[in-house]
Amino acid sequence: GQNIDQPTEMTATEGAIVQINCTYQTSGFNGLFWYQQHAGEAPTFLSYNVLDGLEEKGRFSSFLSRSKGYSYLLLKELQMKDSASYLCAIAKDSSYKLIFGSGTRLLVRP
Amino acid sequence: EPEVTQTPSHQVTQMGQEVILRCVPISNHLYFYWYRQILGQKVEFLVSFYNNEISEKSEIFDDQFSVERPDGSNFTLKIRSTKLEDSAMYFCASNPAGDTQYFGPGTRLTVL
Repeated sequence: GQNIDQPTEMTATEGAIVQINCTYQTSGFNGLFWYQQHAGEAPTFLSYNVLDGLEEKGRFSSFLSRSKGYSYLLLKELQMKDSASYLCAIAKDSSYKLIFGSGTRLLVRP
Repeated sequence: EPEVTQTPSHQVTQMGQEVILRCVPISNHLYFYWYRQILGQKVEFLVSFYNNEISEKSEIFDDQFSVERPDGSNFTLKIRSTKLEDSAMYFCASNPAGDTQYFGPGTRLTVL
């Protein structure tokens, strides 16, 4: 089986930095993804980590430690439009199917 | 930039009816998937498809579900006899070769 945990909700202020954590236990690990999902819309790809370390992409960075079963998504210079759910997902097995966490709902306040 | 497309955007059906949800994956991608998301819940894997056959399916993907790639572009999900609990957003996704999956906009299925 697999288990993916992330906080249910977070609140942050416009212009600030927020870190969303994800811990997981799984077999057949083929990488960890972060997606953004606005209400009623599809998940949108943000980042992909398959090796340990930090991946940076503009205002978004993602970190992975496979030995600790831990990842985080870092969002800098928060904007109001960053209010959304952030989904941590594990790619598993030879099919690379994605197993999603329940998502973290981020509210950015002025 | 190429995108995954899905039709229809919203489907309303009566319980017991058959529905077919359609997807056009990104053209050079090799792996195709269906996921569903019941309102307020997490995204759940249904089925993966590679080399013209199902490569993996979840427990949710029972005998009432089937998938097809009838031609070189379309990828369909059929639900044979819909139930109330099938009401959800259904997302199609594709990936080129075992890395990033790109999602279509989804079909909202409402079963009455």
